[in-house]
Amino acid sequence: DIQMTQSPSSLSASVGDRVTITCRASQSISNYLHWYQQKPGKAPKLLIYAASSLQSGVPSRFSGSGSGTDFTLTISSLQPEDFATYYCQQSYSTPRTFGQGTKLEIK
Amino acid sequence: QVQLQQSGPGLVKPSQTLSLTCAISGDSVSSNSAAWNWIRQSPSRGLEWLGRTYYRSNWYNDYAVSVKSRTTISPDTSKNQFSLQLNSVTPEDTAVYYCARSFHQGSFDYWGQGTLVTVSS
Repeated sequence: DIQMTQSPSSLSASVGDRVTITCRASQSISNYLHWYQQKPGKAPKLLIYAASSLQSGVPSRFSGSGSGTDFTLTISSLQPEDFATYYCQQSYSTPRTFGQGTKLEIK
Repeated sequence: QVQLQQSGPGLVKPSQTLSLTCAISGDSVSSNSAAWNWIRQSPSRGLEWLGRTYYRSNWYNDYAVSVKSRTTISPDTSKNQFSLQLNSVTPEDTAVYYCARSFHQGSFDYWGQGTLVTVSS
């Protein structure tokens, strides 16, 4: 199975900050990497697919980059509604696997 | 707009079978582009993909090795839905279960509302 490792596990930031979350795959996954946002009691929401493509309806302050084994999710200017947990997921092979999550908290 | 509506019991006894259904609107379970997945989430295991069913001129399934021997995911084309059956459950199967569509390059773009399933006597 491909292991996905996110860093950091938690992060404190302020409204307006620029934030970057990293995801590393245990082997090369090309650009088969996707990012999700999850709020308490809700299903994950797709933000970025194929490493850098913005899902329809997602604000442009979210962006993704990377290829191979190293990927980043960047939020250019944090808004109050962005405080949530973020997950990466690979679809290069089955089983599909997720990172352990990064909890973004208000400083 | 695709919508996924989950149904099924929230409490299952140990050794029994967990059964959940996901009704699809706005797409077809027989789509040649999408796949239909079950994913669960627990504090101890995080987000765990369980398996999928999909149609590409024939029906196919993939399962996670950890649950493969106990799991069946099957489509119901007459009702445009798909289901999860997980046999011989234990308390470790307690989790929130989600159905989800995979589309663009295997990303999960639509999710059901989630069902908390507790395994307890």
